[in-house]
Formats: sequence, C-alpha cells, structure tokens
Amino acid sequence: DQQVKQNSPSLSVQEGRISILNCDYTNSMFDYFLWYKKYPAEGPTFLISISSIKDKNEDGRFTVFLNKSAKHLSLHIVPSQPGDSAVYFCAASGRMNAGNMLTFGGGTRLMVKP
Amino acid sequence: EAQVTQNPRYLITVTGKKLTVTCSQNMNHEYMSWYRQDPGLGLRQIYYSMNVEVTDKGDVPEGYKVSRKEKRNFPLILESPSPNQTSLYFCASSLSLADYGYTFGSGTRLTVV
Repeated sequence: DQQVKQNSPSLSVQEGRISILNCDYTNSMFDYFLWYKKYPAEGPTFLISISSIKDKNEDGRFTVFLNKSAKHLSLHIVPSQPGDSAVYFCAASGRMNAGNMLTFGGGTRLMVKP
Repeated sequence: EAQVTQNPRYLITVTGKKLTVTCSQNMNHEYMSWYRQDPGLGLRQIYYSMNVEVTDKGDVPEGYKVSRKEKRNFPLILESPSPNQTSLYFCASSLSLADYGYTFGSGTRLTVV
C-alpha cells in the first residue's frame, strides 16, 4: 500500500493563475517532506521542502503547506508559468526510514497553458 | 558543472544477460542511491550507499546488486535481468545522509525482453 499518494495524475492551469498540487500520506512517522519537479528526459530536481515543525514554507512563487492532522501537503505555484509544465513528485521521510530513503508519490503532471 | 552522470541512457537487453548501469558524481557527495520509477508508483529506492564500501538495501532490492569502491561511482548491476525489471532508473547523490536535497542523474530507460 502506497504511503504517499498524489491522487491527481494531471492538472491543467492557465498561465498567470494559481496551481495547487496535492499530496496525502498515511505514515504519521514522516517528519520531512519535499517536492521535486521532473521535465521529460531529465532527472527530478529538488524544488522545496518542509519540516513537520512548520506548516508553511515559501520560496519565490512556490509555497508548500503542511497539515499534519490531515496528513496532507500541498504545493502552490503563483503565478503559474508555461515553464512550470512538468511532473511534480511529493516525497516524505522520517527517522524510521533507514538509509535516507525518500518515499515518493506517483506524481502529478502539470500543464500550464499560455 | 556539478552533476550525476548515468550511462547508458537507453538499453534494451534480453532476459538473463548480465548488465551494469554506471553512475558517477563529481560533487564529492558521500551519499548515493538508486531508484526505479514505474507508472503510478513514483520512485522507489533500490539500494543506497552512505560512503565507500558501505551499501545497504532500499525498498525494492531483489534482483539488483551495487558496489561502492570509489566515492564518485555507484554502479547498479543486474546479474540476471527479467522483464519485471523493465523500468526507468535514476541514480541520485547528496552531500550526506542528512541531506534530502538529492541531485538526480538523467535516467536510464531499461527494457528487458
């Protein structure tokens, strides 16, 4: 059973609007969460992270929100740009994960239309 | 340029024929790891290495081997590939075990027929 889930395989947004990507997790031992972005034919690149002691972290146009009680995190991109079109993976880790292992969600493909 | 280099990018092979996917990083990172990506499942860790001669199993290690004889290199070995190992493979590195900001390679798409 997947411990990290991204229930929306794809999302389409108009340029300039907000993109909201969602991620749910089941393991309450996770205490660190990340978002990675992946373009075709490239490896994932680290985007933004958040520790479980926070509920929000912001970096430019990207903000990650964490709701521990709901075991839910989301990535907000404002304003969305065509260059943001990519697959986004959320990932989680915790002290119980040996070897620095990240548990990834299945990914959400974001398409930003000009 | 700081990077993780994987080779080959694409590989088609037959069942049972041993193969090696190479991975090299030029950032002097201690931690290296292999992941496989399958549709709907995200990335799953195969093996990791915390430093030279220190390797351990990840989430899905069956059918794979690794070695870490030098800090920069972390090859993935499939002794007897099977069709269920058809996947997209990524090598990743980070400064240390505590650093989750991985640098990923560009991926190796493997098809086993």
